[in-house]
Amino acid sequence: GENVEQHPSTLSVQEGDSAVIKCTYSDSASNYFPWYKQELGKGPQLIIDIRSNVGEKKDQRIAVTLNKTAKHFSLHITETQPEDSAVYFCAATDQTGANNLFFGTGTRLTVIP
Amino acid sequence: DAGVIQSPRHEVTEMGQEVTLRCKPISGHNSLFWYRQTMMRGLELLIYFNNNVPIDDSGMPEDRFSAKMPNASFSTLKIQPSEPRDSAVYFCASSFGLVSYEQYFGPGTRLTVT
Repeated sequence: GENVEQHPSTLSVQEGDSAVIKCTYSDSASNYFPWYKQELGKGPQLIIDIRSNVGEKKDQRIAVTLNKTAKHFSLHITETQPEDSAVYFCAATDQTGANNLFFGTGTRLTVIP
Repeated sequence: DAGVIQSPRHEVTEMGQEVTLRCKPISGHNSLFWYRQTMMRGLELLIYFNNNVPIDDSGMPEDRFSAKMPNASFSTLKIQPSEPRDSAVYFCASSFGLVSYEQYFGPGTRLTVT
């Protein structure tokens, strides 16, 4: 099955700075790459996703880039705010094209006021 | 609109007891997923239903685990008998259609087996 690796495991940034989280995947047939934000005591919340037919997608302060050749994708958060503090997970589908998602191990982002 | 609903939110039980977790997917969604989250193993897919039919249960750890989806608006995950190593947060998620991948998660059930 798909293997998704995520780095870094923890990230601390000053409020207003940018944060970047990177993921790699193993299955070249993967075609969907979502990012989830999980706050303490809550379920993962879908914040942005990208499909394999585009290289970049942006939604206000967050953006995701995809390099299919290198099999990696990244989450970019600009102008970080304390409420961005959470655990972020990347995920990817596998070659079956089914709805199964394989998740990275998560990045704990702390935004320091 | 109501999101995915899970109950109970917390469950504490003794080893050997039966545990039943419940999930109501988002109305109109026809795919439902059960995940388990632990510090050691992260988020793991246990089983996936489409149109109430189990499609992939390869993630179910043992025969002690079973899941059902009797109708489009309800699913259960049962552990019998429960063991301390089953302690985790169990999430249910749902999505719409076979080709739409956006999965929406419920708030989870925190299970503690003593």
